[in-house]
Amino acid sequence: QVHLEESGGGVVQPGGSLRLACTASGFTFRSYGMHWVRQAPGKGLEWVAFVRHDGLIQFYADSVKGRFTISRDNSKTTVYLQMNRLTTGDTAVYFCAKDGGLEVGPSELDFWGQGSRVTVSS
Amino acid sequence: EIVLTQSPATLSLSPGERATLSCRASHNIRTYLAWYQHKPGQAPRLLIYDASNRATGIPAKFSGSGSGTDFTLTISDLGPEDFAVYYCQQRSNWPLTFGGGTKVEI
Repeated sequence: QVHLEESGGGVVQPGGSLRLACTASGFTFRSYGMHWVRQAPGKGLEWVAFVRHDGLIQFYADSVKGRFTISRDNSKTTVYLQMNRLTTGDTAVYFCAKDGGLEVGPSELDFWGQGSRVTVSS
Repeated sequence: EIVLTQSPATLSLSPGERATLSCRASHNIRTYLAWYQHKPGQAPRLLIYDASNRATGIPAKFSGSGSGTDFTLTISDLGPEDFAVYYCQQRSNWPLTFGGGTKVEI
């Protein structure tokens, strides 16, 4: 069965950097796009970024564009989110999610991880 | 950016009742809409994709309808496990966007 496990969360100071990783199993990773979605405390879900199945195309929310970079290593079945110039507004639980479309996208987000907590605080 | 507006923000119901949740899009998104269920501390769960298609393993008590700008998620015969927050999400245009959520509470 599909399993997604995030790692790399923690506490970081404003202006700092952090890299999240999401390791996938249970499906042909190289054939599906992947997303990051976040949920700030007491708030709803916010889509953050998408990377195509081959890693050649990425899309970002305006709130993170220029600061965050999504990438993937298909040999390691892992997707990454490099977060730079973090602000307190980036404090959230970050979920990775599998796109439902085979070598196309975007489709619905059909499987999600449990999330990794990121706290930006001085 | 396509804005999704969900209503009501909170729905207070009893077990066995029917829940009707609304999602309105700021632009025509055809049927490129999904619904998710989210419980605290858990991964969100896909319920409905392309407005009316149930995801794998989702019971028939969940149904979706609508197209264009107006969409509805209906949950019949509410069970204790159905009390959660529900989000709609569009994939018609980048950036992908979610609605603000509807909390279904007892």
